[in-house]
Amino acid sequence: AQSVTQLGSHVSVSEGALVLLRCNYSSSVPPYLFWYVQYPNQGLQLLLKYTSAATLVKGINGFEAEFKKSETSFHLTKPSAHMSDAAEYFCAVTHSGNTPLVFGKGTRLSVIA
Amino acid sequence: EAEVAQSPRYKITEKSQAVAFWCDPISGHATLYWYRQILGQGPELLVQFQDESVVDDSQLPKDRFSAERLKGVDSTLKIQPAELGDSAMYLCASSSVGAGANVLTFGAGSRLTVL
Repeated sequence: AQSVTQLGSHVSVSEGALVLLRCNYSSSVPPYLFWYVQYPNQGLQLLLKYTSAATLVKGINGFEAEFKKSETSFHLTKPSAHMSDAAEYFCAVTHSGNTPLVFGKGTRLSVIA
Repeated sequence: EAEVAQSPRYKITEKSQAVAFWCDPISGHATLYWYRQILGQGPELLVQFQDESVVDDSQLPKDRFSAERLKGVDSTLKIQPAELGDSAMYLCASSSVGAGANVLTFGAGSRLTVL
C-alpha cells in the first residue's frame, strides 16, 4: 500500500523567507508524486508532479520539489514566500495511471508580513 | 480553461435526510473520482469511475452512500440517510486516459453540514 506523511500540520514563515514543506512517501513500486494547493473553501489545484523524468520538478507560482529516492522524500520549496502563498498544501502518491491518488493530511502554510 | 463543475457548493441538512451532489467533469475525461475531505484532513477516495463503470468503491459506505455515472459523463453522489459524521467537503475530480491519466483536475467541492 502507498502512503505519504507530511511532517508538520502547520508551518509559519515570514514574507520573503524560504518555504519548505516536507513530504515522505511509502511505495513498493516506483511512485508518481504530486503537490496540490487548496485555498479556503476551494478545490485542489495542481502545483507540480514527478513522473520519473527529472528529479527536480518545477511547478507553478515559483514552487519546486526534488525527488530523493534514497530518502523517500519529495519536499516542496519556494525561495521567497508571498502573502498569497498562504493555503493548505497536500502531497499525494500513486504508482500508475488511472490509480487513485493517496493524499497526505496536509500542511497549512501561514505567511507573516 | 476547462473546469470540473460541482453543485451545490454548500448544503445544510438535518440528520436522516437525503442529500445529493452533482459533478460534471471536463469534457472527454473518462475517469471520474469522488473524494471526501473532513475538515483538517486530506481527501480520501470514495469511488472511482472509468466511463460508466465503477473501478473502485471499496471505501464507499454502501449502506448509505451511492454513486452513479449512467452515461459516462456527469455523476451523482447520494447519501441517505445523512449522519452527523458525514459533514465534510465532497470533491469531484476527473482525468483523461494515457499520459495524463494520473493528473487530476478538481472541482470547487460541495461542503455538507449535517445538523
